[in-house]
Amino acid sequence: NAGVMQNPRHLVRRRGQEARLRCSPMKGHSHVYWYRQLPEEGLKFMVYLQKENIIDESGMPKERFSAEFPKEGPSILRIQQVVRGDSAAYFCASSPPGRQGKGEQFFGPGTRLTVL
Amino acid sequence: EDQVTQSPEALRLQEGESSSLNCSYTVSGLRGLFWYRQDPGKGPEFLFTLYSAGEEKEKERLKATLTKKESFLHITAPKPEDSATYLCAVQVITGANSKLTFGKGITLSVRP
Repeated sequence: NAGVMQNPRHLVRRRGQEARLRCSPMKGHSHVYWYRQLPEEGLKFMVYLQKENIIDESGMPKERFSAEFPKEGPSILRIQQVVRGDSAAYFCASSPPGRQGKGEQFFGPGTRLTVL
Repeated sequence: EDQVTQSPEALRLQEGESSSLNCSYTVSGLRGLFWYRQDPGKGPEFLFTLYSAGEEKEKERLKATLTKKESFLHITAPKPEDSATYLCAVQVITGANSKLTFGKGITLSVRP
């Protein structure tokens, strides 16, 4: 059973470009979470999605950031017009249906975004 | 606001030297407390979930305990391969919200 998959693993963008980060949850998991880890900081929650629904986006910046989890395909975290402060590691986690209330989120390897 | 504080920030041990990592938390209503291990350049790896005060869980050289205000991760006779950053996170009871709130982590180095 493959774990949570994220791609790309490393992404370099220039200021003003768009970044698209993809996450495929573990097989059978229908809940996806995105977290951001800045240097010397802990992991910070961004958004929680179920298939075709955003459940909680309280950690998402108000502008330039969006997330989706379509019925088919991976979850996408999209950052428009990137700035240097967006440079960070972005992690996706998933949990199985019915277990989201009990934590046990399983993390992917992350995408390391560098904005030049 | 929910807060998670881990101490110390870094810990250096000699192989075989047992110690404990601390995670203190202030939350409105605890649903669960989680420990993860993170190696450089990788994602967090799930270790334990604790749900109620007094609960304990063990895995190899690691043992996690929980009180109403803090959790400890005890490492018995550590080996160099235990070197990593250990993350503590809490999940609070707020309806459909399942987010984890993390501490900054404790970087453990075990010297041979």
